[in-house]
Amino acid sequence: QKEVEQNSGPLSVPEGAIASLNCTYSDRVSQSFFWYRQYSGKSPELIMSIYSNGDKEDGRFTAQLNKASQYVSLLIRDSQPSDSATYLCAVNFRLANAGNMLTFGGGTRLMVKP
Amino acid sequence: AAGVIQSPRHLIKEKRETATLKCYPIPRHDTVYWYQQGPGQDPQFLISFYEKMQSDKGSIPDRFSAQQFSDYHSELNMSSLELGDSALYFCASSQQGDYEQYFGPGTRLTVT
Repeated sequence: QKEVEQNSGPLSVPEGAIASLNCTYSDRVSQSFFWYRQYSGKSPELIMSIYSNGDKEDGRFTAQLNKASQYVSLLIRDSQPSDSATYLCAVNFRLANAGNMLTFGGGTRLMVKP
Repeated sequence: AAGVIQSPRHLIKEKRETATLKCYPIPRHDTVYWYQQGPGQDPQFLISFYEKMQSDKGSIPDRFSAQQFSDYHSELNMSSLELGDSALYFCASSQQGDYEQYFGPGTRLTVT
């Protein structure tokens, strides 16, 4: 079983709608959570980080973290065709010698239709 | 703002050859990470360095080695290349104590 899981999609939403992307992680002590956007053939681009329970907003993006449910989500408001990409959920698990290794969740492909 | 620089951007090698990938972190970033991403897959963590010392090791084959130099740039050396090594190789950097990692543009390695 993967340590971080996402629905691979594709998730299709109309332009202007809210896109909701979800991610679950395994029962380990986790300390930091990230959302990356990756266009085909390009590198992952960090768009949100969240460290404590609750919501964190940045422009059209809102990250939500619920450690009790081991769940992290990303909401994209007023979705634009340019938001069409794969969204990677990444978790930094706290291991004995953890450092900063990221474990990714497989990604959800988002398609925003004009 | 300055970003992570990787070179070369594209590399074609034959089986059993060697390859060296270079990474220059964002200025004032002291930690470097290497990831491998195969077609349709997640980035997989290979290895990381902090202050020129290896800090974590992931699924890096024994045929691969890496180091970080005094100017914080890092090199990933890959020997006895196999067809399965064809992938995108990303370098990411961060500041110690900051968990956010910023990825470079990647090197696309093709082994024929």
